Parts: sequence; structure tokens; C-alpha cells
Amino acid sequence: QVQLQESGPGLVKPSQTLSLACTVSGGSISSGSYFWTWIRQPAGKGLEWIGRIYTGGTTYYNPSLKSRVTISADTSKNQFSLKLTSVTAADTAVYFCARGTFEYNDFWSGYRNWFDPWGQGTLVTVSS
Amino acid sequence: QSVLTQPPSVSAAPGQKVTISCSGSISNIGNNFVSWYRQLPGTAPKLLIYDNTKRPSGIPDRFSGSKSDTSATLGITGLQTGDEADYYCGTWDDSLSVGVFGGGTKVTVL
Repeated sequence: QVQLQESGPGLVKPSQTLSLACTVSGGSISSGSYFWTWIRQPAGKGLEWIGRIYTGGTTYYNPSLKSRVTISADTSKNQFSLKLTSVTAADTAVYFCARGTFEYNDFWSGYRNWFDPWGQGTLVTVSS
Repeated sequence: QSVLTQPPSVSAAPGQKVTISCSGSISNIGNNFVSWYRQLPGTAPKLLIYDNTKRPSGIPDRFSGSKSDTSATLGITGLQTGDEADYYCGTWDDSLSVGVFGGGTKVTVL
């Protein structure tokens, strides 16, 4: 079965760049019609969708973060990555990577969207 | 402030049933399919329901989902102590063009 694992620094200084990688095992990020997604969760709060990269390389970002976010993929390592620039304390959160399904259903005229599986998450603290 | 509204907490005795509501608008729940996730303390969310009502393989039929207009509901029957967790609804929002989630509901087994 597909498993995801986040990795990266747990502490980032304000104004610097947060960089995380998500390594996928048990399946290829190049196959299927999946959207490899980043989601974050500040302590004690809800989930925030950050953005995604499609199997073919197309990316889409949360408009509220778009100016600071880049998601890329390295198929040779079966990884996808997140870069968030100019971080502040508000970016302190547990960051999850997940495999997303996103399809438009013509019959019901709506988007089917879910995330499964998820990585275990990694805490990133922004502090000097 | 989450786009989707969930009650902060619900509780019931073991063996009983709880329902968790998720309220949105036409641009999210009204137009699109809803998914539900369970997050045990210190762990990642796990998919419970997708496409409003479908359960992934391995999820027991104690968990059920429904949707009506701009609201969705997760039902849990035969409540167990292991069901104590935070539960989140999620969907796509056409106006915001982002995935959106509820603020989460903590289920307590009395």
C-alpha cells in the first residue's frame, strides 16, 4: 500500500524559507491520476489546504499563500516537495503530505475531492 | 475561522450513536462532494467517508455519511472508547478555489 513520509527541518527562522519533502513508497507519484497535496495544521486548530501537484506536473496553490508557495516533484526520488518563503510565526504548524483525488463528476456537476493516505506529519516551528 | 462549520464537541455513552454536522454554502458543500476524516491524538487524519456516503475499504459500517443541500452529516453508531478523536469534514470550494475543511469536532465517549 502507498505510504507517505514527510522530512525536513523542524525549526526555521523568521523571514527564511521552509522546505519539506514527502517521500512516497508503495507506489509511483508518476502513475495514476492523483494530486500530491500539502496540508497544514497549527497547534490546536483545523486543517488548511496549501496546494497540490498533479501526476503530470501541474500545480495549484491556495490563493492566500500563492505568492510564497512552490510545490515541485522529483520523480527519480519518488518525492514531492514544499517550499514556503518569508515565513513568520503564523506558519508554525504540523505539515502533512497526502495523496489527493480530485475529479469533476459530470452527472452530479460537482468535484469529488478527498485525501488518502496521509503522511504522519512533521512539526515546523518558526522562531529565532 | 473555518469555511465549513462543525460543532466543537459531541459526546455519548459507549454503544450509543453520535452525529456530527458540517455546514457550508452552495459554493462548497452545495456543489461538491464531501469527505470525512478522523484524527486520533498526535496522528494524521484518516479518511472515513468520501463522495458524501462511501466508506473506503477497512472502515466499518458503524460510520456513515449523508449530505443535504449545503450540509453534511457523519454518523457513528455503536460508539467505542477508541472512537474518541477529532473529526473533520472537507470539500472543494468553487468560489475560493481551494480545498476547505471544517474546524473539527471532538468526540468524547462518556
